Amino acid sequence: SQKIEQNSEALNIQEGKTATLTCNYTNYSPAYLQWYRQDPGRGPVFLLLIRENEKEKRKERLKVTFDTTLKQSLFHITASQPADSATYLCALDQEYGNKLVFGAGTILRVKS
Amino acid sequence: KAGVTQTPRYLIKTRGQQVTLSCSPISGHRSVSWYQQTPGQGLQFLFEYFSETQRNKGNFPGRFSGRQFSNSRSEMNVSTLELGDSALYLCATTSGGRAFDEQFFGPGTRLTVL
Repeated sequence: SQKIEQNSEALNIQEGKTATLTCNYTNYSPAYLQWYRQDPGRGPVFLLLIRENEKEKRKERLKVTFDTTLKQSLFHITASQPADSATYLCALDQEYGNKLVFGAGTILRVKS
Repeated sequence: KAGVTQTPRYLIKTRGQQVTLSCSPISGHRSVSWYQQTPGQGLQFLFEYFSETQRNKGNFPGRFSGRQFSNSRSEMNVSTLELGDSALYLCATTSGGRAFDEQFFGPGTRLTVL
């Protein structure tokens, strides 16, 4: 069956450290993978998109990697701040249907 | 540019009732997707409309329906509400309606079914 798995437990890290979140998928062949941030009571906000032929993408303190062999994407936040505390969702496109499928999300808590 | 708006923000209904939620996309966006978000299931895709046509549908029962108007505004309807329909309903819009387009989400409608 098709699955998208993100760290099921919350990730707690100290301010200034690098947070690394994982997104693994099974039985998908996505051409694109996206990461979103969601704060409590709000809709998700787009952060980054990476294509299957890209190994790495960066935006300010954010970095995403995409390994289609391992079927995994890693999302890094360097020099993390308490304001980075949120739920982070990965999403990938289905081969058919032109739509996004989301993982359950990982809660990140950055403590000062 | 105004963002995606959803109305109402909160709703309380009882089992068996029906409900209609509304989503107004960003100006120029023609694709509107609807999602249900619950703590147990995460974000689940309901359906997507593009230029007034339903293009994609998720695995939800027929009690969930939607439509899109010529101005791209969209509504979703849930009939014969069940307790399990309690959730945050989010709409997301894109300009091109392609899977790799950045999705702009609204703030959601929190539906509680008693």
